[in-house]
Amino acid sequence: AQRVTQPEKLLSVFKGAPVELKCNYSYSGSPELFWYVQYSRQRLQLLLRHISRESIKGFTADLNKGETSFHLKKPFAQEEDSAMYYCALSPNPGSARQLTFGSGTQLTVLP
Amino acid sequence: ETGVTQSPTHLIKTRGQQVTLRCSSQSGHNTVSWYQQALGQGPQFIFQYYREEENGRGNFPPRFSGLQFPNYSSELNVNALELDDSALYLCASSPDGGGSYEQYFGPGTRLTVT
Repeated sequence: AQRVTQPEKLLSVFKGAPVELKCNYSYSGSPELFWYVQYSRQRLQLLLRHISRESIKGFTADLNKGETSFHLKKPFAQEEDSAMYYCALSPNPGSARQLTFGSGTQLTVLP
Repeated sequence: ETGVTQSPTHLIKTRGQQVTLRCSSQSGHNTVSWYQQALGQGPQFIFQYYREEENGRGNFPPRFSGLQFPNYSSELNVNALELDDSALYLCASSPDGGGSYEQYFGPGTRLTVT
């Protein structure tokens, strides 16, 4: 069975500071990994996925298979980045089926 | 393009009762997944429907059941409600049997069991 761990429930940084949201996973195969974000009073939405190797809103995430981690990073945090962030894993190659989510990290960017 | 919608927004039920939650998929999506999100937790996968058939299930008892209709809308039914069933229930749709890289989430239904 797969598992996703986000060790920090709450994270606060100042505007302009770097931010890193940690995500560790356990799965015996090759999973697909995602970061979802939920802004205040909005629905859960995809932020980025590892397969795309893209940067969205300045965020990047690198899959480290050796450490089984998929940490989310941004060099300069903005106040509009304040939100709940969820790391998620799909055991199905090439898809987002049957996602397993971590418990989330509430990021607050202080002015 | 219409996004995923869910009804009702909020619901209060008594332990032992039955409840039905509804979800309308985003236009063009043929796959629906349901998730349970307890307070302070991430969403937990319940099951997925593709073209009216269940094609994946998480670790939930049989009293959690579902349906998908020809127009790809879906229902989640929960029998013999327990206090621990109190949660936010999320519906997510995706195209192509869930083979895409993104699921589109609805706003959720908040179920309270007393």
